[in-house]
Amino acid sequence: ETGVTQSPTHLIKTRGQQVTLRCSSQSGHNTVSWYQQALGQGPQFIFQYYREEENGRGNFPPRFSGLQFPNYSSELNVNALELDDSALYLCASSSIAGSYNEQFFGPGTRLTVL
Amino acid sequence: AQSVTQLDSQVPVFEEAPVELRCNYSSSVSVYLFWYVQYPNQGLQLLLKYLSGSTLVKGINGFEAEFNKSQTSFHLRKPSVHISDTAEYFCAVSANSGNTPLVFGKGTRLSVIA
Repeated sequence: ETGVTQSPTHLIKTRGQQVTLRCSSQSGHNTVSWYQQALGQGPQFIFQYYREEENGRGNFPPRFSGLQFPNYSSELNVNALELDDSALYLCASSSIAGSYNEQFFGPGTRLTVL
Repeated sequence: AQSVTQLDSQVPVFEEAPVELRCNYSSSVSVYLFWYVQYPNQGLQLLLKYLSGSTLVKGINGFEAEFNKSQTSFHLRKPSVHISDTAEYFCAVSANSGNTPLVFGKGTRLSVIA
């Protein structure tokens, strides 16, 4: 069974640029959630995708957007990067079945905005 | 909405000593509770979870936690820590309905001293 993978591992961008982060979900999972973890903070929920549609969103501006593909992999896109977007971006996959669905986290992508 | 407060940002403890990491939560609905561990430059690993039933929950690596509904707490304990337990620990909560996102605390840095 393959776990959650994310690419790239590290990324450096400058203010105003756009970035795309990728996540491959664990085998058999149909839901992907994205979290932002700023330095010294806990992860914050950005949004969740289920069956290729956004299925919940946290308090993040529209320049944070996402996609989920038919194979349940996902992308996180951030436009007009700001310095405060520097963070570890985590994705987590799960399978909607019943009232509890454990989320399995990937290793994250470290984004630095200069 | 839910929120989580981890009362200690850093906890130093000597090897083989007991440790308790404190977590309080707030929610207007019934919740699931979690503890995650994050080693340097890695994603999140689930230590243990409370969904229902017994309030004492045992997890991996010898950790356990007790759910106290009246005090809205979910403290993490280990009777004897090892150097390898040095990591960041996050308490998290989610509403116990459907595939709801996790709300994390800011984390507690556990440093085990030889």
